[in-house]
Amino acid sequence: DAGVIQSPRHEVTEMGQEVTLRCKPISGHDYLFWYRQTMMRGLELLIYFNNNVPIDDSGMPEDRFSAKMPNASFSTLKIQPSEPRDSAVYFCASRAGTSGSNEQFFGPGTRLTVL
Amino acid sequence: SQKIEQNSEALNIQEGKTATLTCNYTNYSPAYLQWYRQDPGRGPVFLLLIRENEKEKRKERLKVTFDTTLKQSLFHITASQPADSATYLCALELNSGNTPLVFGKGTRLSVIA
Repeated sequence: DAGVIQSPRHEVTEMGQEVTLRCKPISGHDYLFWYRQTMMRGLELLIYFNNNVPIDDSGMPEDRFSAKMPNASFSTLKIQPSEPRDSAVYFCASRAGTSGSNEQFFGPGTRLTVL
Repeated sequence: SQKIEQNSEALNIQEGKTATLTCNYTNYSPAYLQWYRQDPGRGPVFLLLIRENEKEKRKERLKVTFDTTLKQSLFHITASQPADSATYLCALELNSGNTPLVFGKGTRLSVIA
């Protein structure tokens, strides 16, 4: 397995533009997590899905952020409109269900810069 | 309020020595505690998990302890090597399975040859 795949790896955009980040979890994993990492706040959970259903989105900073998981092999995180304070590294992670390990597998991240 | 604190942002040690990293938490009752390693430009990678009823876990040169009374975990790397230089993150899992992790900000370890 190729591990968790994220795209793009880097994104530079201007304030006000829409940004879409993509994630392909490890095949067979039931859980998918979106995190944001900054120097100031560390790694923060934004939202997570179980079997494609959003379970907890309380970490999503505001209505400008939305996430979807239309099927078991694909998820998106969208920011519209983007702002400079959204600049961060965004990670997607997946893990197996209750029958598997608690270990989370992280993707390489998307470094977002909003000018 | 709930907090997870890792003892320092950065730790420098000499090659061959034992590195000890600390993770303290308040107002949490975790079922599990996990440690991850993160290299620059990469996502975190899982190292070890310890359960609330376990005192100690070992894996090769790594050792983790978990004291639920002190609300503290210690992460040790023995015979440290320059290749161990990375940021190490502790993470709490609040219930047994099916819940997300809450991460500390990490400690950046530098092992000097």
